Amino acid sequence: AQSVTQLGSHVSVSEGALVLLRCNYSSSVPPYLFWYVQYPNQGLQLLLKYTSAATLVKGINGFEAEFKKSETSFHLTKPSAHMSDAAEYFCAVSLALGGSQGNLIFGKGTKLSVKP
Amino acid sequence: NAGVTQTPKFQVLKTGQSMTLQCAQDMNHNSMYWYRQDPGMGLRLIYYSASEGTTDKGEVPNGYNVSRLNKREFSLRLESAAPSQTSVYFCASSEDRRARDEQFFGPGTRLTVL
Repeated sequence: AQSVTQLGSHVSVSEGALVLLRCNYSSSVPPYLFWYVQYPNQGLQLLLKYTSAATLVKGINGFEAEFKKSETSFHLTKPSAHMSDAAEYFCAVSLALGGSQGNLIFGKGTKLSVKP
Repeated sequence: NAGVTQTPKFQVLKTGQSMTLQCAQDMNHNSMYWYRQDPGMGLRLIYYSASEGTTDKGEVPNGYNVSRLNKREFSLRLESAAPSQTSVYFCASSEDRRARDEQFFGPGTRLTVL
């Protein structure tokens, strides 16, 4: 069965530091992978998605993620954190087969704090 | 373009009461979804509608019913609310139910069941 694991429920970085949020997936077939961001008291917004076109995916707000099949990972990075990046981030895998095709399986989320 | 809208934003119910959460999208999407979000649990799929006229159970359907009223609207009903249904509920839509399709989310409904 497909699943998503996000390492670290809370990550804290200083403004200007590298942001690295980890996501590992398990899937029996090539997956579609997504990163969503949720700002306080808001819905989820798509940051970026992997659909097999390129292993390095660039998203909004300077975020990017690299698909590594050998490591079954899709970690999210940003070179320099900004205060406005403080939010909760969710990694998700989309099922590509069977009756549940198109349903998203979410990780449990990582809350990012940015210190001044 | 409002995207995905949800009403109400907040609701407090007593155990045993019923209510309907409303969701509408104006993107002409075929597929719609209802999720619940609980602390430390991520989002879990309650029901989905692949296209107008169809609905199917997700991961946690017990205690809920849904109606796909038309292409735009997808409602979630709690017939007899329980404290375990205290959660934040999100509606989402996508162009279709293809694995590569992005889902667009509404702002959520915060429900407390006393």
